[in-house]
Amino acid sequence: EIVLTQSPGTLCLSPGERATLSCRASQSVSSSYLGWYQQKPGQAPRLLIYGASSRATGIPDRFSGSGSGTDFTLTISRLEPEDFAVYYCQYYGSSPLTFGGGTKVEIK
Amino acid sequence: EVQLLESGGGLVQPGGSLRLSCVASGFTFKSHTMTWVRQAPGKGLERVSGITGSSGSTYYADSVQGRFTISRDNSKNMLSLQMSSLRAEDTAVYYCVKGGTGTPLDSWGQGTLVTVSS
Repeated sequence: EIVLTQSPGTLCLSPGERATLSCRASQSVSSSYLGWYQQKPGQAPRLLIYGASSRATGIPDRFSGSGSGTDFTLTISRLEPEDFAVYYCQYYGSSPLTFGGGTKVEIK
Repeated sequence: EVQLLESGGGLVQPGGSLRLSCVASGFTFKSHTMTWVRQAPGKGLERVSGITGSSGSTYYADSVQGRFTISRDNSKNMLSLQMSSLRAEDTAVYYCVKGGTGTPLDSWGQGTLVTVSS
């Protein structure tokens, strides 16, 4: 089973700042199957990034994903008020599908 | 527009059973793997079960293996999760999700709350 470890647990930033979220896999994985999701309070998660770097439909270009092997990154270039949320990485290349523990991006 | 509408959640006693349903629209349901993901209160996401488009393959988390059964009716665009021998730790919001092994989870329902308590 692929274990995904996200860091930091919480990121305190101000609107307009750059956010860098990390996701580390317990073993090398194919970047084709690494996704990122955003979840706001009381809402279902939403797919942001798939294949490590491809934005899902309707996702603004301030969101970008990168990485390979065991280390992946979600970057939000300039935080908008609506971007303060919890972010999860996920590996969907094999069963069991696994999620990271999440990074909460909160307003400083 | 993809829509996934779950139903069937509620309060159930430990050891009891519950059946969740999800009606899908806006895409060719039979062509897609579907997944149930749950989220315990204040916790992260856990894939509970998945089923391929043809129902040829099913997947279960170790925590629910032998207690939950996933199924689908492609003629009705419906996904189901039969849950039995429920435990307190099964308390969560259950999401119906389009996608699974090999494909991203690209569309999520609004979720249905299952509470296991006496």
